[in-house]
Amino acid sequence: GNSVTQMEGPVTLSEEAFLTINCTYTATGYPSLFWYVQYPGEGLQLLLKATKADDKGSNKGFEATYRKETTSFHLEKGSVQVSDSAVYFCALSIYNQGGKLIFGQGTELSVKP
Amino acid sequence: KAGVTQTPRYLIKTRGQQVTLSCSPISGHRSVSWYQQTPGQGLQFLFEYFSETQRNKGNFPGRFSGRQFSNSRSEMNVSTLELGDSALYLCASSLRAVLQETQYFGPGTRLLVL
Repeated sequence: GNSVTQMEGPVTLSEEAFLTINCTYTATGYPSLFWYVQYPGEGLQLLLKATKADDKGSNKGFEATYRKETTSFHLEKGSVQVSDSAVYFCALSIYNQGGKLIFGQGTELSVKP
Repeated sequence: KAGVTQTPRYLIKTRGQQVTLSCSPISGHRSVSWYQQTPGQGLQFLFEYFSETQRNKGNFPGRFSGRQFSNSRSEMNVSTLELGDSALYLCASSLRAVLQETQYFGPGTRLLVL
């Protein structure tokens, strides 16, 4: 079946450290891939997305590249800030089920000053 | 444009009762999807409505149901509440819910079942 696996958290980093959150997927066909972020007490916000192989999504210093050969969509940021502390979700949608997102389990990030 | 709104934001019910949650999508969006978020199971897809028709459904019991109105507003209903239904219920809207489209999420309704 279709699924998303993320690295387990929590991840604790110091400010200005490099961030990587791993995400791999299993899907039939060619999915679209998304990273969403959830701040405490809020809903989900789209961080970035990629819709085909080798696409790079980027936003607010975060980047992720759609790697079909390794079925991965790892999230990276060169220098994290305290304000990046949140839970990050990797997700996919598949052809003909565009209204259905399949999420990974989420990775909590805590950035210390 | 106003974002996705959900009402109520918080709700406390007792076992056996039923509950109705409401979601108003972004203006012009015709697709509304519902998700349940719990610490144990994470984010799970409940169902999706497009133009008043249920188009996709997740693996939830029949106690969970929904509908969409002609103005795209959606409601979900949970009957005979169980303790395990305590969760954050999120709805999301998109224009047509095609593959590449972004879904925009509301702030959620937090349901506590006692």
